[in-house]
This record gives sequence, structure tokens and C-alpha cells, in this order.
Amino acid sequence: KQEVTQIPAALSVPEGENLVLNCSFTDSAIYNLQWFRQDPGKGLTSLLLIQSSQREQTSGRLNASLDKSSGRSTLYIAASQPGDSATYLCAVRTDGLTFGKGTHLIIQP
Amino acid sequence: GAVVSQHPSWVICKSGTSVKIECRSLDFQATTMFWYRQFPKQSLMLMATSNEGSKATYEQGVEKDKFLINHASLTLSTLTVTSAHPEDSSFYICSASPGPLMNTEAFFGQGTRLTVV
Repeated sequence: KQEVTQIPAALSVPEGENLVLNCSFTDSAIYNLQWFRQDPGKGLTSLLLIQSSQREQTSGRLNASLDKSSGRSTLYIAASQPGDSATYLCAVRTDGLTFGKGTHLIIQP
Repeated sequence: GAVVSQHPSWVICKSGTSVKIECRSLDFQATTMFWYRQFPKQSLMLMATSNEGSKATYEQGVEKDKFLINHASLTLSTLTVTSAHPEDSSFYICSASPGPLMNTEAFFGQGTRLTVV
């Protein structure tokens, strides 16, 4: 059974810092990995999709890497802003999507 | 990206009544849609896979007679919570993808906050 773990569970940093969120998964036989953002009481916004054959994807200040063999992914956020405050979820696709519990991120103005 | 719309965004109902939640793919067709449930400070848990024109596939522990799923068209899936009880209060979210699941991004609706009183 696939299990997804996200570290840290919560993170609070001053505005402007670069930060890294971690995601690990137990079964490396995945089709892809996706990072999402969830604001309180809202649905999920897709940030980045990495196919199993890819090593990284970039979108603006976000960069996600994937090391499938070791079962790890990182989401790098550059020059963080207060608007980046949200919960970030990592999910891996096998037959369905398996989610981690998320990292609750607060960027202090 | 593709748009998935969910309605209503919140609903309060009395215990024993039924509630229907709609999930629509606005700009693509989806033969498969997914329904998730999320408890506070917890991750999303897959409840069922909705298949257009056929029966839904339910995850272990999810009562199919309580959570009725209908996927009558390529753009609409509905989840009906029957005889709702307070323990059914939760955040329900649907998801769909505009292409083959193994290659395509999953897009999510806005979620529905259900409160059963």
C-alpha cells in the first residue's frame, strides 16, 4: 500500500526566504507526482505535475524535483511571499492519487 | 488549466435527510471522476471512483448505499449522501483529469463543506 509522507508538517518563515518542502513515498512504481496548494476551506490548486520519467518541473518561483528510485520529491519555493501561505500537498499517482498530509506554510510579512 | 466546478460550496442539512453534491468538468470530458473526503488537518481520502455509464468503484470501508454516485454524462458526476448523520459532516472534493490518468494532471473542484445538524 502506497504511503506518502510530508515533512515538515508546519513551517513558518519570514518573507523573502527560499524554502524546501519534502515529500516521500513508499512505492516507487508511480505514473506521476503532483504538488497542490490548498487554501483554508477551499479545493486544491494544481501547482506542478512531474511525470515518472522526469526529474524536475518549474513554474515561476516554484521548482519541483523527483527522484523516483529513492521515493522522494521536493518543492522549492524561491523568494517566498505572504501570499504563498497555504497548505501544500504532495500526491502520487498509481491507480489513484495518494496524498500526504501536507505542509502548513506561513510566510510572515 | 482545466476547470472542475463543484456545487454547492457548503450545505447544512438536518440529520436523516439526503444531500446531493455535483461535480462538473467545464471544458473537457471526463470518463472518470474521483470523490474524496477530507477531515480537519488530515489528508484527502479517496472514497470512490466514478465511471461514466457504469457503476462506481468504492474504496474499502466506504458504504456504497450511503454514498450514492451517479456519472450519467461525460461532464457530470453526483455524490448523494443519503440519510445523513452528524458523523458525515466533512469536506468533500471531486477530481477529474482531461486525459489518460497516468499522464494527465488531476484538477479539483472547490470542495463542499457538509454540516449535518
